[in-house]
Amino acid sequence: SQTIHQWPATLVQPVGSPLSLECTVEGTSNPNLYWYRQAAGRGLQLLFYSVGIGQISSEVPQNLSASRPQDRQFILSSKKLLLSDSGFYLCAWSGSRGVGDEAFFGQGTRLTVV
Amino acid sequence: AQSVTQPDIHITVSEGASLELRCNYSYGATPYLFWYVQSPGQGLQLLLKYFSGDTLVQGIKGFEAEFKRSQSSFNLRKPSVHWSDAAEYFCAVAGYSSASKIIFGSGTRLSIRP
Repeated sequence: SQTIHQWPATLVQPVGSPLSLECTVEGTSNPNLYWYRQAAGRGLQLLFYSVGIGQISSEVPQNLSASRPQDRQFILSSKKLLLSDSGFYLCAWSGSRGVGDEAFFGQGTRLTVV
Repeated sequence: AQSVTQPDIHITVSEGASLELRCNYSYGATPYLFWYVQSPGQGLQLLLKYFSGDTLVQGIKGFEAEFKRSQSSFNLRKPSVHWSDAAEYFCAVAGYSSASKIIFGSGTRLSIRP
């Protein structure tokens, strides 16, 4: 069966420090991968979307970047964190067959920038 | 561009009462539609999905949703809510392409009155 791992679960980082959040998927190949951010009262905002290795779509201009160095690995990064980067970050994957595959979510990372 | 609107930010219903959560979507063709539930501090769990066929879809935990093309809606219903249904609910839309991204609404927080 497929599983998705996301870590760390919580993170407290000072303003200006770098960030690296990692997400890996097991049990499937060539998944679509997503990074979402959930801020209080703002729902689930799509940050990055990838349909293959090295193929990243950025949905909103921001202080973050994403990379997909391997088929089932998706990394969210920042060189210098801002206070506004605080939030709940969720990684997800879906199938790439285009036949109604839903997104499966990791447990999320609570990031607090201080 | 695809989008999802959940007009109700917060709803409170009494335990045992019926529930309807609203969702309206915007998409150029017939979309895939999803409802997810999120417990506090957790990832998202799929309740149900629609991509073709019968417009009334049954999901887990006694939930159902009805796709109404003429109204661009996909409202979630439950005939009798339980205290354990208190959570955040998200509606989402995706296209038919294998490279289509999944876009979420802003969510509706459901509280249950004893």
